[in-house]
Amino acid sequence: GESVGLHLPTLSVQEGDNSIINCAYSNSASDYFIWYKQESGKGPQFIIDIRSNMDKRQGQRVTVLLNKTVKHLSLQIAATQPGDSAVYFCAVTWGGYQKVTFGTGTKLQVIP
Amino acid sequence: ETGVTQSPTHLIKTRGQQVTLRCSSQSGHNTVSWYQQALGQGPQFIFQYYREEENGRGNFPPRFSGLQFPNYSSELNVNALELDDSALYLCASSAGQGNQPQHFGDGTRLSIL
Repeated sequence: GESVGLHLPTLSVQEGDNSIINCAYSNSASDYFIWYKQESGKGPQFIIDIRSNMDKRQGQRVTVLLNKTVKHLSLQIAATQPGDSAVYFCAVTWGGYQKVTFGTGTKLQVIP
Repeated sequence: ETGVTQSPTHLIKTRGQQVTLRCSSQSGHNTVSWYQQALGQGPQFIFQYYREEENGRGNFPPRFSGLQFPNYSSELNVNALELDDSALYLCASSAGQGNQPQHFGDGTRLSIL
């Protein structure tokens, strides 16, 4: 099976600062990792993904880092904006099909 | 490009009743997954459909069942509703079975009285 946890339930950052959200997973066979953003009343929105053959991937203002040795995943958001306020989930998949295990979520609060 | 749409947006049922939730997948997506999200929790995988067949299942009892149609839309059926079934039910579609991003609808909020 798989358990996925996040290190902090709530993260408060000042507008313009960088945010780092962490996630730990348990199954070493996990091969695909995704970060989602969920705003109130909405479904999760895909942010960025990374496959197990990579350790870093960058998008627009976001970077995902994967450390398979310690089974740790992080999402970095540069120059955090008020619109980044949401709950962020890491999700982990394995087994050749899309059975995805979500973490419990980190609520990011951006202070103007 | 049309995203994932779910209906209805809200639903109230009583214990013991049955419910059907509907999902239209994003254009070009042939795989649909269903999730249950309790308040303050992450989504929990119920099952996935690929080309009209169930392709994987999470830890949900058989009273949770589904269908996928030739146009890749999908239904989630829940029989004998229990109070604990109150949750947001999310549908996600993707292009194929492999490791692809899933795109979510905004869910159906189901309340059981």
